[in-house]
Amino acid sequence: EVQLVESGGGLVQPGGSLRLSCAASGFTFSTYIMHWVRQAPGKGLEYVSVITGTGGNTYYANSVKGRFTISRDNSKNTLYLQMGNLRAEDMAVYYCARARVPGIHDAFDIWGQGTMVAVSS
Amino acid sequence: DIQMTQSPSTLSASVGDRVTITCRASQSISTWLAWYQQKPGKAPKLLIYKASSLESGVPSRFSGSGSGTEFTLTISSLQPDDFATYYCQQYNSYSWTFGQGTKVEIK
Repeated sequence: EVQLVESGGGLVQPGGSLRLSCAASGFTFSTYIMHWVRQAPGKGLEYVSVITGTGGNTYYANSVKGRFTISRDNSKNTLYLQMGNLRAEDMAVYYCARARVPGIHDAFDIWGQGTMVAVSS
Repeated sequence: DIQMTQSPSTLSASVGDRVTITCRASQSISTWLAWYQQKPGKAPKLLIYKASSLESGVPSRFSGSGSGTEFTLTISSLQPDDFATYYCQQYNSYSWTFGQGTKVEIK
């Protein structure tokens, strides 16, 4: 079964750091472009970041640029999001998602269940 | 950045109604547009990609159309399982943006 499972969310103080993981299974992970998307409580979807299959290219939304780092370990079939200098406005459910076609920038066909990040003192 | 604007924000409809949601892009995105359905507490689900292509397993009552800057999602006959929030998303070039969402409620 094709699946993405996020982990690593939790409560962190403002200014703190957290690393999210997204474990992939059921497909050839290294060939797919992967994304992070977040959703603040009661709000819409917000795009966060993307990484190509080799990890050679990344892109970040302006709201997280310089604070978040996306990476992947293809030997472990795992996607990561290292989040630093966290702010109250970063509080959200974080989803990882797969681009539909290997190697192609495409719609997101597989999503994880999400992991909640809460930022509060 | 490309902005995506959905209308309406909320839509009240009855089972069996034909429902149309509109999404406008701030600049041309060709047909690089997707539609997602999201239910409370769940991850989004892909319905339509490349503006009009139906994702595998999605009922044929869902359809998408449009190109350039104007796009629509149509549900031909609303079913009880379709009450949810719908998002458009552009994926033109190295850029991704979601619309603000349209909540489809029971009338």
